[in-house]
Amino acid sequence: AQSVTQPDIHITVSEGASLELRCNYSYGATPYLFWYVQSPGQGLQLLLKYFSGDTLVQGIKGFEAEFKRSQSSFNLRKPSVHWSDAAEYFCAVVLYSGGGADGLTFGKGTHLIIQP
Amino acid sequence: DTGVSQDPRHKITKRGQNVTFRCDPISEHNRLYWYRQTLGQGPEFLTYFQNEAQLEKSRLLSDRFSAERPKGSFSTLEIQRTEQGDSAMYLCASSFFRPSSNFYEQYFGPGTRLTVT
Repeated sequence: AQSVTQPDIHITVSEGASLELRCNYSYGATPYLFWYVQSPGQGLQLLLKYFSGDTLVQGIKGFEAEFKRSQSSFNLRKPSVHWSDAAEYFCAVVLYSGGGADGLTFGKGTHLIIQP
Repeated sequence: DTGVSQDPRHKITKRGQNVTFRCDPISEHNRLYWYRQTLGQGPEFLTYFQNEAQLEKSRLLSDRFSAERPKGSFSTLEIQRTEQGDSAMYLCASSFFRPSSNFYEQYFGPGTRLTVT
């Protein structure tokens, strides 16, 4: 069964500093990979996705992620964080079959705290 | 563009009562998903529909849970004889699936927070 591990429960970063959130997946083939952000009282918002092709993908709000097959990782990065980036971040995977994809499997999330 | 909406946003109920939640997907979306999210965890997949057909159910979906999407538009999730362990955020998502495309994106609603006392 596929699974997703986000090793860091909490991360604290100073405003303006760079950010990297880790995500490792366990699956025999290359799954479809996603990063979502969840702010208090808000629904999950998709930041970026990887299906195939270029292993460095760009997303919204200045985020990017790099797929590394050899490490089974899909880490999220941002060169300079803003106070508004404080939120919960989830990595997710999905198995694609010929009939389309079924439900997403999420990691437990990383809570991002921004220090002024 | 109206997104996915869920009603109610909050529900407090006593143990043993039945509750029903509603999800209205984005209008042209043919797939609808239900997830459950407990405190400190990521969302867990419960079930999904393509149009009115329920295509998959997770082992998490016990017999007390039932979901419907009678006309292929809105969906309801009912929990019978609620237990304290059912307290969670229930999320709905929708997507548009085309057989010719590998790509899809799930758009999430704001969720219904259930508290069972």
